[in-house]
Amino acid sequence: GESVGLHLPTLSVQEGDNSIINCAYSNSASDYFIWYKQESGKGPQFIIDIRSNMDKRQGQRVTVLLNKTVKHLSLQIAATQPGDSAVYFCAENISGNTGKLIFGQGTTLQVKP
Amino acid sequence: AAGVIQSPRHLIKEKRETATLKCYPIPRHDTVYWYQQGPGQDPQFLISFYEKMQSDKGSIPDRFSAQQFSDYHSELNMSSLELGDSALYFCASSYGGQGDEQYFGPGTRLTVT
Repeated sequence: GESVGLHLPTLSVQEGDNSIINCAYSNSASDYFIWYKQESGKGPQFIIDIRSNMDKRQGQRVTVLLNKTVKHLSLQIAATQPGDSAVYFCAENISGNTGKLIFGQGTTLQVKP
Repeated sequence: AAGVIQSPRHLIKEKRETATLKCYPIPRHDTVYWYQQGPGQDPQFLISFYEKMQSDKGSIPDRFSAQQFSDYHSELNMSSLELGDSALYFCASSYGGQGDEQYFGPGTRLTVT
């Protein structure tokens, strides 16, 4: 599968491979993180979230990893499908605050059939 | 499951006109967030409301105002529109005021000519 150590604006993977999308967050006080998927012309779609008291959380075909030491978040998508093609954003939030999300730079995932 | 509803979906206005965007949160959600997304950009937080009170304010121009009503729907009012206001405007909702599990609507595409 494709693995990206640093944030890249575009990630191209073969259908069936695993994808890893990376995100560096900015605020060390952030303790709640969400990954969103955004298809062209649509609103961000909630994928998975994780709190800072965890370092890993799994969903259906997706896993989020959190490394608070280096302020790094990653989204792993297993067996990537053409329908996974979209822009992926990570967003950070400080719990106990007002809840506004600070978005990271998006990564465009392109799935090749 | 019911999602966030936004209206209108598309809006075309001329410079110096006004626009009103509406957002209907997920039932039982008491918190609404507004974000602006320019072409190829990540969403930027504008303003939020919790239990009908403004809870936070981001980079929102003074020409814009918003409120949350007794039924928890929210409206974003934009006056003296400028070309640079052309963007996608998203509303998101959550429960409890702290942004957990924030779900986005489909957005309103505003074009200012």
